[in-house]
Amino acid sequence: QLQLQESGPGLVKPLETLSLTCTVSGGSISSTNYYWGWIRQPPGEGLEWIGSIYYDGGTDYNPSLRSRVIISVDTSKNQLSLKLTSTTAADTAVYYCARHGAYGVERHFDSWGQGTLVTVSS
Amino acid sequence: DIVLTQSPGTLSLSPGERATLSCRASQSVSSTYLAWYQQKPGQAPRLLVYGASRRAAGIPDRFSGSGSGTDFTLSISRLEPEDFAVYYCQHYGRSLWTFGQGTKVEIK
Repeated sequence: QLQLQESGPGLVKPLETLSLTCTVSGGSISSTNYYWGWIRQPPGEGLEWIGSIYYDGGTDYNPSLRSRVIISVDTSKNQLSLKLTSTTAADTAVYYCARHGAYGVERHFDSWGQGTLVTVSS
Repeated sequence: DIVLTQSPGTLSLSPGERATLSCRASQSVSSTYLAWYQQKPGQAPRLLVYGASRRAAGIPDRFSGSGSGTDFTLSISRLEPEDFAVYYCQHYGRSLWTFGQGTKVEIK
């Protein structure tokens, strides 16, 4: 059974870089059928897609965050990572990693991690 | 960019009643890439429907999706206690994933 687990600091100071890792188990991040994405949810608010990555490093980013986001993949560790620079309080959110299909009709997020809360505060 | 607007913001219903949730796109979109998710407090979203009308694995048949163009609907035929949650629609297009703002289905 596929499992995704986010990890990283729960508290980040303003203007510093938020760094998270998602470890995938029960499946290979190198599968050619899937992309792996990051989605966030501010407390009490809705969902915002941050970006997605393919096993070969190809990425798609939300234009609203593109200038501050780097998503990378480490196939040897079956992990993907998120870096968000120049953080502000507005980046406080639960951050989820999730899987979506790479082709055709399979562009929905079918597996999600449990999420991790990151608070940006001094 | 596509904007998804969900209505109503909150739906107050009793168990056993039918729920009808709307998702309207700012321009016509392909139903192939329209999905619905359910989220309960403290949990990650769960995929319910994809391709506008295809139920995901393990989703009860009381959940059904329909629609095309700019107007999509998620229906829950008879609300069970575990169905009270927030529901999001989501669209994929041109390497962008967009979510609606959500509809909360609460117990009346």
